[in-house]
Amino acid sequence: EPEVTQTPSHQVTQMGQEVILRCVPISNHLYFYWYRQILGQKVEFLVSFYNNEISEKSEIFDDQFSVERPDGSNFTLKIRSTKLEDSAMYFCASLPSGDYNEQFFGPGTRLTVL
Amino acid sequence: RKEVEQDPGPFNVPEGATVAFNCTYSNSASQSFFWYRQDCRKEPKLLMSVYSSGNEDGRFTAQLNRASQYISLLIRDSKLSDSATYLCVVNPKRYSTLTFGKGTMLLVSP
Repeated sequence: EPEVTQTPSHQVTQMGQEVILRCVPISNHLYFYWYRQILGQKVEFLVSFYNNEISEKSEIFDDQFSVERPDGSNFTLKIRSTKLEDSAMYFCASLPSGDYNEQFFGPGTRLTVL
Repeated sequence: RKEVEQDPGPFNVPEGATVAFNCTYSNSASQSFFWYRQDCRKEPKLLMSVYSSGNEDGRFTAQLNRASQYISLLIRDSKLSDSATYLCVVNPKRYSTLTFGKGTMLLVSP
């Protein structure tokens, strides 16, 4: 069964450093999402991406964040200058077009900012 | 008012018990409703979609009351493997972002 993959599974970085989180969505999916979950809190939406552009973003997704689909398979989330409060699980999700409405989630990247 | 509100629990039940979770949502224009399951430090996984007519999948039954903006999940004959956090999730429109509740923790004991 096809699945969303994410790398790395765990990233440790120093405050102020840039990080890139990588996702490979399911190959025939067209809609892509990033969510995050701070430990003990709810899953929060960051950004959605369709047709090579951002379609929605939340208040969390400020100028420190950017997304890219550099080739036909990868979908990346970049945090330019990490803060302590960016420590969280980051989940990528993808969705096919058509009637199907289930977003498929990747296993997540745990980001720890020291 | 929180967008999606759930009782955080934990609900501690013995194996074989029936347990019910409730959820309320604030956006009356929401179109799609789901229950996701999340194991500790893992990704959310779709348990079932929720329809106005109610729907059942094995031991799991979901109900939606649009007038009251209320969603429920009933688990019958609980198994140890049902121990997880159950997330109520609402989608305002197709292809849009999902809005998650904080989740209700279920612990099933032998």
